[in-house]
Amino acid sequence: DVQLVESGGGLVQPGGSLRLSCAASGYTFNTYWMHWVRQAPGRGLVWVSRINEDGRTTTYADSVRGRFTIFRDNAKNTLYLQMNSLRVDDTAVYYCTRDLAGGQDLWGQGTLVTVSS
Amino acid sequence: DIVMTQSPLSLSVTPGEPASISCRSSQSPLHSNGKTFFSWYLQKPGQSPQVLICLGSNRASGVPDRFSGSGSGTEFTLKISRVEAEDVGVYYCMQGLQTPYTFGPGTKLEIK
Repeated sequence: DVQLVESGGGLVQPGGSLRLSCAASGYTFNTYWMHWVRQAPGRGLVWVSRINEDGRTTTYADSVRGRFTIFRDNAKNTLYLQMNSLRVDDTAVYYCTRDLAGGQDLWGQGTLVTVSS
Repeated sequence: DIVMTQSPLSLSVTPGEPASISCRSSQSPLHSNGKTFFSWYLQKPGQSPQVLICLGSNRASGVPDRFSGSGSGTEFTLKISRVEAEDVGVYYCMQGLQTPYTFGPGTKLEIK
């Protein structure tokens, strides 16, 4: 099956770090751009970051630039999001998504990140 | 940033009746390659979002043909020809032309 499976979420204190993973399967991972999208509790969808096929081009939302790093390991078919200096307003479900012509044609089930003291 | 707005923000529809959601972008999501980087998503209760429409009007694989997308420039519409109970959830539009990609606020559809 074609799928994305996120992991790595959890409870972390403000200022802490967390690394999210997204395991892709069922398709040729290294031929697609990938994204992270988040959704705070009860709120809408917010784009976070994207990375190109070979990992050399990355882009971030202003709210996370300098704190989050997106990267990928194509040998392991896995996307990552390293999150540092976490803030309470980073609390959200984080989805990894596959890009198709500027759209998101495949979504994972999401992983919840809670930033709280 | 490109701002996306949707209307209505909620609607209640009788099964079998049509429904329509509008989305407006502050700038056209038309790419230089001639394709429109605009898409629609449905997030059913307790689930991840799923794509319905890509490139403005292309129905995604597995999406029932009662869903259709149209529009150009800065005005787009999602139509459901005959609403079914399984269509409940929140509908989002999104532009993927330039970063930050931006979503509309969502339209909550419920069944009467």
